[in-house]
Amino acid sequence: GENVEQHPSTLSVQEGDSAVIKCTYSDSASNYFPWYKQELGKRPQLIIDIRSNVGEKKDQRIAVTLNKTAKHFSLHITETQPEDSAVYFCAGGYSTLTFGKGTMLLVSP
Amino acid sequence: GAGVSQSPSNKVTEKGKDVELRCDPISGHTALYWYRQRLGQGLEFLIYFQGNSAPDKSGLPSDRFSAERTGESVSTLTIQRTQQEDSAVYLCASSLASSGSPYNEQFFGPGTRLTVL
Repeated sequence: GENVEQHPSTLSVQEGDSAVIKCTYSDSASNYFPWYKQELGKRPQLIIDIRSNVGEKKDQRIAVTLNKTAKHFSLHITETQPEDSAVYFCAGGYSTLTFGKGTMLLVSP
Repeated sequence: GAGVSQSPSNKVTEKGKDVELRCDPISGHTALYWYRQRLGQGLEFLIYFQGNSAPDKSGLPSDRFSAERTGESVSTLTIQRTQQEDSAVYLCASSLASSGSPYNEQFFGPGTRLTVL
């Protein structure tokens, strides 16, 4: 089955800096890679996703890149704000999703 | 419109008892997923329902876990003879899957926090 590894487990940045979270996957059949944000005590919410026929996707301050050959994908957040502080999960799969273990992002004012 | 709902929001039970958790997906969503999230951990896939197809049960950790779904509506996750290691938040998600695109956004419910004493 699919195996998704996510790094780093924690990330601390200053407000305004960029943050990058990286994930690798093992199953070449996986074709869908979403990123979810989970605030403390709340449900995960989709922030951006990418399919395997696309190499990059951007939505305002958030971008995701996918390298199918290397089987890795990354989340980039620019101009970070304190409200970006949360746990971020990457996932990959086809009919079901395998999630990474999460990255706790802390943005300090 | 209404999102995914789950009940109860919290459940405290004694070791060895059975529990039943409920998920109401978004109306019209044919796909439904159950996940387990232990404290400070990621989401662990449990089971996937897609329309009237046989469910994908590959993530269920033991035969104490089972789930049912009637058509494209409510689903129940049952844990028999609960153990302390079953303590976690159980999340349900639904998505509008289509034949041309097996993947669409999963919308999560608020979860049920299960504590086994």
